[in-house]
Amino acid sequence: TQLLEQSPQFLSIQEGENLTVYCNSSSVFSSLQWYRQEPGEGPVLLVTVVTGGEVKKLKRLTFQFGDARKDSSLHITAAQPGDTGLYLCAGALVNRDDKIIFGKGTRLHILP
Amino acid sequence: DSGVTQTPKHLITATGQRVTLRCSPRSGDLSVYWYQQSLDQGLQFLIQYYNGEERAKGNILERFSAQQFPDLHSELNLSSLELGDSALYFCASRRGVSNTGELFFGEGSRLTVL
Repeated sequence: TQLLEQSPQFLSIQEGENLTVYCNSSSVFSSLQWYRQEPGEGPVLLVTVVTGGEVKKLKRLTFQFGDARKDSSLHITAAQPGDTGLYLCAGALVNRDDKIIFGKGTRLHILP
Repeated sequence: DSGVTQTPKHLITATGQRVTLRCSPRSGDLSVYWYQQSLDQGLQFLIQYYNGEERAKGNILERFSAQQFPDLHSELNLSSLELGDSALYFCASRRGVSNTGELFFGEGSRLTVL
């Protein structure tokens, strides 16, 4: 059973379009992180959200942590080919901060 | 460059064999995590060490073991290898155990079991 479910698994859209990917769980997390991974490399942190309802922006990327701290979303505005990659959410369960678990990821492909 | 070094980058071996993967964390990082990444399972948490002690365990098989040494480098030992163990193995490090700490990943060790 996957504790963090990410959807969609794959997404291919045209440059300039907007998109949202989701990270959902039935468990409560003390924090959630989003990482991006490119082929042949390890994941790299994009953002950490800690407070329920928190919204963080990173240029064209907007991250939101659900009010109940069970889910998160990543919204990309005006997607560009450089946004192509595997987007992973990762979380630390409440009272289990040591264990950082990952979702399976959303593989995003932006067509020029 | 994340500052985390993993060796070897690629490893090809046969079923039944044993291999050791090595990880040097970023300077100053006390926490080391090991993950296994395969196409169908994503990044699976294996085990975590903090300052030489095991802190958390995931779905790590009994055939696998790990340790963190006094100089903070870590090794993941995989024995009695099976075809299904073929995967990318990542090591990540971070300063402590704060729930907001960033994980810095190495480039991974790609294991192929034939």
